[in-house]
Amino acid sequence: GAVVSQHPSWVICKSGTSVKIECRSLDFQATTMFWYRQFPKQSLMLMATSNEGSKATYEQGVEKDKFLINHASLTLSTLTVTSAHPEDSSFYICSAQRLAGESLFFGPGTRLTVL
Amino acid sequence: DAKTTQPPSMDCAEGRAANLPCNHSTISGNEYVYWYRQIHSQGPQYIIHGLKNNETNEMASLIITEDRKSSTLILPHATLRDTAVYYCIVRSPTGGGTSYGKLTFGQGTILTVHP
Repeated sequence: GAVVSQHPSWVICKSGTSVKIECRSLDFQATTMFWYRQFPKQSLMLMATSNEGSKATYEQGVEKDKFLINHASLTLSTLTVTSAHPEDSSFYICSAQRLAGESLFFGPGTRLTVL
Repeated sequence: DAKTTQPPSMDCAEGRAANLPCNHSTISGNEYVYWYRQIHSQGPQYIIHGLKNNETNEMASLIITEDRKSSTLILPHATLRDTAVYYCIVRSPTGGGTSYGKLTFGQGTILTVHP
């Protein structure tokens, strides 16, 4: 149990375009999903927390208009990187939590490369 | 959330026990100790967590000192596939506030299991 998937697993796009990344909890309903990004040789950095049906809460320094998060259902959250630039190239990872206080389970990550 | 301190790297021989230490001297009473690991280019994998009692599951054992200021993750029979970055994280699952439920990753310990 506790499987989280992400799609796509990798994506290459041109500078200025937008990219959408999906995060799904496959065998449980996730009340909360978290989005992280990880640059090479660095640790994971939390970007935002999303609760189903409400607006995401962004960490300090993360532009909410650039990284749009939608958590429309209990099994799906999406992260859209708008007007992507090469500095947005990174490994984006989501995690999901069934209920408050329970363990978080992570997706396999999405590697974004912006040319 | 309380911060944690881990050695940057450790080595272990295949088949031997790997003991990964973690200091969390400022941990609060309601904060849990979580361990995750990340194999290269994958999402983090949940290993184990505990509050104050020692815990064991099919992957590992978690030993938490009586004062809860430090803990040790034990992989009883390390294999080459256990080579990964291991993260010790202190998490407050409840209680509100901006840190509620979050997992904040540090730099972790790079464990290398060699033949």
